[in-house]
Amino acid sequence: RKEVEQDPGPFNVPEGATVAFNCTYSNSASQSFFWYRQDCRKEPKLLMSVYSSGNEDGRFTAQLNRASQYISLLIRDSKLSDSATYLCVVIFRSANAGGTSYGKLTFGQGTILTVHP
Amino acid sequence: DGGITQSPKYLFRKEGQNVTLSCEQNLNHDAMYWYRQDPGQGLRLIYYSQIVNDFQKGDIAEGYSVSREKKESFPLTVTSAQKNPTAFYLCASRPPLRAFSGANVLTFGAGSRLTVL
Repeated sequence: RKEVEQDPGPFNVPEGATVAFNCTYSNSASQSFFWYRQDCRKEPKLLMSVYSSGNEDGRFTAQLNRASQYISLLIRDSKLSDSATYLCVVIFRSANAGGTSYGKLTFGQGTILTVHP
Repeated sequence: DGGITQSPKYLFRKEGQNVTLSCEQNLNHDAMYWYRQDPGQGLRLIYYSQIVNDFQKGDIAEGYSVSREKKESFPLTVTSAQKNPTAFYLCASRPPLRAFSGANVLTFGAGSRLTVL
């Protein structure tokens, strides 16, 4: 089982639609969660952090379900400009071969969203 | 403004050549990462460094080498041993890890696109 898995996509939705992505993680000790947006041939950019109580930023809502080990991203009133790849990122503490603690970042494979007129 | 600078943006390499990709950050971050992204794929970790003079292999380190002589710099060398080096390479950095915090944000450089001729 992959450490982080996202909905396979792609998602094709009309403008104004509501769309939701899920991302499951396997390590129950995971500490931090994020959604990144990546436009074609560009670097990923932070969309929003995901907090335990859930958080909202305009049309975007992120939620964390620790019991079921997944995070979600909801986009309301989709715009053409929302078309992009959405990546979930999970961080958990791990230790390398020498015993040094570090934060391991794992990305989901990304979900492609296309919003059409 | 603080950020991460990658260079060159585009690079062409002949088979059998080593090339070095530069990554410089002025965010005062200790942790730095190199990822590789292939078309339609997610990000795969090549190497990471938690602190100066220390670095660890990621999931796909074969054919790559790094150094971390300065906090600000984490160059990646793609050696001739890397059989399929054509890809988009992303460097990233992160502030010190905090437990259960949305502050553990990964910041990316704009990427370097390497093509083998």
